[in-house]
Amino acid sequence: GENVEQHPSTLSVQEGDSAVIKCTYSDSASNYFPWYKQELGKGPQLIIDIRSNVGEKKDQRIAVTLNKTAKHFSLHITETQPEDSAVYFCAADPGAQKLVFGQGTRLTINP
Amino acid sequence: DVKVTQSSRYLVKRTGEKVFLECVQDMDHENMFWYRQDPGLGLRLIYFSYDVKMKEKGDIPEGYSVSREKKERFSLILESASTNQTSMYLCASSSRDRDYFGPGTRLTVT
Repeated sequence: GENVEQHPSTLSVQEGDSAVIKCTYSDSASNYFPWYKQELGKGPQLIIDIRSNVGEKKDQRIAVTLNKTAKHFSLHITETQPEDSAVYFCAADPGAQKLVFGQGTRLTINP
Repeated sequence: DVKVTQSSRYLVKRTGEKVFLECVQDMDHENMFWYRQDPGLGLRLIYFSYDVKMKEKGDIPEGYSVSREKKERFSLILESASTNQTSMYLCASSSRDRDYFGPGTRLTVT
């Protein structure tokens, strides 16, 4: 079955700098890759996603890139702000309508 | 806005007790899911359901069961709670590929 590895587990950046979180997956049948943000005391919320027919997608300060050949995808956050501090999860959908999640990255933005 | 609600935010139970975690969604979604979240392990799928009275095992179903008698409600049952089931439990419902999560129930088994 699908296996998703996420790195790093913790990331600390200065406010205004960029943050990058990387994930790899194992099942070449996976065709949908969402990213979720979980703030303290809340459930995860979808922030951006990408499908396998697209290499990059951007939404304001957030972008996701996908390399299907290498089976990895990344989340990029530019001009980080304190409200970006949260736990971020990547996931992959191998086509069974259920997601396989990475281990999570705790991102801390230092003022 | 889609709303997924979970019956309790915090729950403390004793070893051996039967525990019910309730989840309700208001968007008429077919698919519903139960995950547990543990530090360093991410979200792991316990059970899911694609329709009323239908259930499928996820990756870690041992020690759990589920019930879906109505489309909007999906219940997770711990038949005999154990300390290794202390965790954050997240319910989700989905429309096509997007999962909507509830706020979670932090369960402590003593």
